Amino acid sequence: QKEVEQDPGPLSVPEGAIVSLNCTYSNSAFQYFMWYRQYSRKGPELLMYTYSSGNKEDGRFTAQVDKSSKYISLFIRDSQPSDSATYLCAMTPYSGGGADGLTFGKGTHLIIQP
Amino acid sequence: DAGVIQSPRHEVTEMGQEVTLRCKPISGHNSLFWYRQTMMRGLELLIYFNNNVPIDDSGMPEDRFSAKMPNASFSTLKIQPSEPRDSAVYFCASSFLDGGELFFGEGSRLTVL
Repeated sequence: QKEVEQDPGPLSVPEGAIVSLNCTYSNSAFQYFMWYRQYSRKGPELLMYTYSSGNKEDGRFTAQVDKSSKYISLFIRDSQPSDSATYLCAMTPYSGGGADGLTFGKGTHLIIQP
Repeated sequence: DAGVIQSPRHEVTEMGQEVTLRCKPISGHNSLFWYRQTMMRGLELLIYFNNNVPIDDSGMPEDRFSAKMPNASFSTLKIQPSEPRDSAVYFCASSFLDGGELFFGEGSRLTVL
């Protein structure tokens, strides 16, 4: 079993829909969780981060962590064509959120149809 | 700041040739990371440096790969000799030593024929 599992997609939804992106993980030591967004031919960029369980909201984006189920989600409300990208989850055991020890999912390719 | 700068953006070479990828991290960042991204394996950490010192190179696939960081503003990743299975996008990233956001460059797309 891989440490972090993420459905590669592609996931195609119409503009304005609510999008749900998910990752599961096996290492119970993970406690710092991130979502990176990667546009085509670009490097990943940090979108959101959360520590331990709970929800975090930033505009149209909500990150959710359920440590008991080892499951994290990213919700996008009122999706826009500009949200079309690959979304990678990432997690680390280190509470400082340091980049060493960071494990990435393979990413989900999201397409928002105008 | 200009962000993490990588060169070349694209490289096409023949099997057996030496490949050198270059990276300039964000000024002030003291941790530097080299990743490789493929469809099959996703984003894999190859090696990272703290204060120019290699800390963990367990992700380097084999002896054909080597990385150096001679100073705080420059790092190289070298593949010698290159093989077709090395074809991938190689990313350099930097951050502060005590954690925080990881900033990626735009990547170097390597094709080995």
